[in-house]
Amino acid sequence: EVQLVESGGGLVQPGGSLRLSCAASGFTFTSYWMGWARQVPGKGLQWVANIKTDGSEKYYADSVKGRFTISRDNAENSLSLQMNSLRVEDTAVYYCVREEWADCWGQGTLVTVSS
Amino acid sequence: EIVLTQSPANLSLSPGERATLSCRASQSVSDSLAWFQQRPGQAPRLLIYRASTRATGIPARFSGSGSGTDFTLTISSLEPEDFAVYYCQQRSDWPAFSFGPGTTVGVK
Repeated sequence: EVQLVESGGGLVQPGGSLRLSCAASGFTFTSYWMGWARQVPGKGLQWVANIKTDGSEKYYADSVKGRFTISRDNAENSLSLQMNSLRVEDTAVYYCVREEWADCWGQGTLVTVSS
Repeated sequence: EIVLTQSPANLSLSPGERATLSCRASQSVSDSLAWFQQRPGQAPRLLIYRASTRATGIPARFSGSGSGTDFTLTISSLEPEDFAVYYCQQRSDWPAFSFGPGTTVGVK
């Protein structure tokens, strides 16, 4: 069974940092681009970042560029999102996504940025 | 940036009725469009990709059509579990895969 499990969410103050992780299983991780999307509670979806199969290419939404870093560990079948200089507007549920037409999503992890 | 608009924002229907949801792109995305369903408290689920191809395990009552700038998701006969929010997403403007604002299909 294809599965993506996120972890690492929580409450952080504005300007703080947080690292999200996603454990992938049930498929050949190295064959897929992977990404992160987010959703403000009760609102719509936003693409955040994605990364090529070997990690050689990374792309970011303008709203997170320079503050967030996506990475992957193909030996561990894991995806990460390092989030620095967090803002109140980054508060959202963050989803790990398999970028084959976003055909698989994790259950999401809530990040709350508040003082 | 390609902007997607969805209409209507809200749709009130009864089980067994037909639902027709629209997604319009600000510029052509060819057939690089996907549809997702999101039930309350759940992650989005891919329904349709490449405008008209059903994803694995998606029932035949879901169908997609369109190309260029205008797309439609049709649910031929609503089941109780189909009452949810539906999003379209364009995957033409690599890698900025923008989403539409969503259509809520509610029970009449």
